[in-house]
Amino acid sequence: GESVGLHLPTLSVQEGDNSIINCAYSNSASDYFIWYKQESGKGPQFIIDIRSNMDKRQGQRVTVLLNKTVKHLSLQIAATQPGDSAVYFCAETPTGANSKLTFGKGITLSVRP
Amino acid sequence: DAGVTQSPTHLIKTRGQQVTLRCSPKSGHDTVSWYQQALGQGPQFIFQYYEEEERQRGNFPDRFSGHQFPNYSSELNVNALLLGDSALYLCASSQRGGYYEQYFGPGTRLTVT
Repeated sequence: GESVGLHLPTLSVQEGDNSIINCAYSNSASDYFIWYKQESGKGPQFIIDIRSNMDKRQGQRVTVLLNKTVKHLSLQIAATQPGDSAVYFCAETPTGANSKLTFGKGITLSVRP
Repeated sequence: DAGVTQSPTHLIKTRGQQVTLRCSPKSGHDTVSWYQQALGQGPQFIFQYYEEEERQRGNFPDRFSGHQFPNYSSELNVNALLLGDSALYLCASSQRGGYYEQYFGPGTRLTVT
């Protein structure tokens, strides 16, 4: 069936370094891809999204890259901070408005001081 | 401006019992989606409500039902609870016809013993 998954379960980085979190998806009909951050005891928080007609989008300290050829999505966090420690999920949705989100399993980002 | 709120925060039930979880959407939002998040997994879409009707449904049995009220708040009901229903139940709200971004509440942690 369709799925969105992540390659690695955990990622440990030094404070100040850049982090790269990768995600593979299998639904070629997906139109929007979103990265969420989930801190302990909280619901997922929107970080950044990208539409399928784009290959790169930048936000504040974050960049999302989309490679539709290999169905790969990545999240880059610049100058990682302790507050970035959380579980990160990629999610996809087939259309823009109000469609269900399909999430991957999640990867834990741990920032070493 | 209050975000998405959910109640209760935690709940412990026995197998076979029934449970009702509640969600109030973010101000200005009219669409509510429910997700189940098992420990260590990404959220799984249960269903979505708009205009007091179920509009989309994921792969969940009929034991899972819901309701949306005229003020857009929503309830999730689960009958005949199983041990496997233990999870974090997340509510997400969005605005129909607007940007698709879904805002998540903190969730209700359900434990079935």
